[in-house]
Formats: sequence, structure tokens, C-alpha cells
Amino acid sequence: KNEVEQSPQNLTAQEGEFITINCSYSVGISALHWLQQHPGGGIVSLFMLSSGKKKHGRLIATINIQEKHSSLHITASHPRDSAVYICAAERGNEKLTFGTGTRLTIIP
Amino acid sequence: GAVVSQHPSWVICKSGTSVKIECRSLDFQATTMFWYRQFPKQSLMLMATSNEGSKATYEQGVEKDKFLINHASLTLSTLTVTSAHPEDSSFYICSARGGVWREQYFGPGTRLTVT
Repeated sequence: KNEVEQSPQNLTAQEGEFITINCSYSVGISALHWLQQHPGGGIVSLFMLSSGKKKHGRLIATINIQEKHSSLHITASHPRDSAVYICAAERGNEKLTFGTGTRLTIIP
Repeated sequence: GAVVSQHPSWVICKSGTSVKIECRSLDFQATTMFWYRQFPKQSLMLMATSNEGSKATYEQGVEKDKFLINHASLTLSTLTVTSAHPEDSSFYICSARGGVWREQYFGPGTRLTVT
């Protein structure tokens, strides 16, 4: 069993839909990261959180430390949101353990 | 937000040659940089952790003599793939940590193809 698991692996939705991607982890963490990887490969750091909730534009990330679970939400999804979304658990030594990613496709 | 650059963005080299990849933090001082490798349709795998002015710490299974890492300044780390083989073909990504909040920023990646 992977230390970091994401669901779903693939998600296709219509433009405008509300998107939720889930991440569960089995290790103690100091922070949880959400990353976005576009088809060209470049990675953008979306959120780094250790408790509660963060919001940036149409993106919202939440984390429940007790349940070892985090979610990434996208409101009013747009085709440009199509990418692979990766959660990563950070240990105390700042090393990241990555989930396998969720491939999101938003259809116009 | 902070910017991390990598150079080159892609490189093709012949088997047996060496290739150097640079990772630069453009607007902050990165005391720690990480090097990752990503094979197609797989997740990122940490190769090594590099702290400025000290030797890199390699993950289990990563050959330190093959993947030479130098972190000579607070804004530059280099990864040299020595005696490259076709199986070294991969996407190499660096990340840098620094600043007050120790946030992590990723470079755009370098695609290496060894023929």
C-alpha cells in the first residue's frame, strides 16, 4: 500500500463543474502539498498546508489531520484546469512522498 | 511567487557522454534543493537532497558517482549525469526551498534523452 494515495486516478468533467480530488496518507506529516503538472511536464506548487483550509482563486485545499485526509477542490472548472494534480506528504526532514496523481480533463 | 529555473529544458546526448543540468532559484536563496526523476506515467521519485556548501544526500538505490550533485551557492545546484545510458532517459526536476516560510518551488524540468 502506498503511503500517499489519491482518488480518482482519472477524472473527466464538463466545464463549470465543481471538482474534488482526494488524498489519503498513512504517515505522520509536517505538511501536505498539492501540485499541478501540465502536459509539458512543468510542476507548479498550488498549496502547502498543515491544517485547516487554504483558498487561492478557484482552488481550495483542505486537510483533516486526524483523518489523514486532504482534498483539493476546483470551483467553476475550466479547460485550462486540465492537468495532473499530485498530492505529496512532507515528513519532518522536508522530503516529499508523492501520490500517483489524478489526471483531470475538463471538456468545454 | 518565487521562480526556479532549469537549464536546459531538454537535451539529447549519446550514450557514454555526460550531461549537466542546472537548477537556479531566481529571486530567493535556496538553502536546500531537491532533485527528482520522473519516468513516463509514474510519480516523481526523490533522487537526492542538496544543501548549500555540503555534500548531497542520496536516496537508496541512487548511484552518487553517476549522478553528481553540486550546490555551490544559495541560488544554484547542478546535477551531472555521468556516462549516460539510455535507461537514464527521464524527466529530471529540481525543487528549491527557502524564504521565511520554507516553501518549496519546483523547476520546469529537464527532459533527457540518451541515444
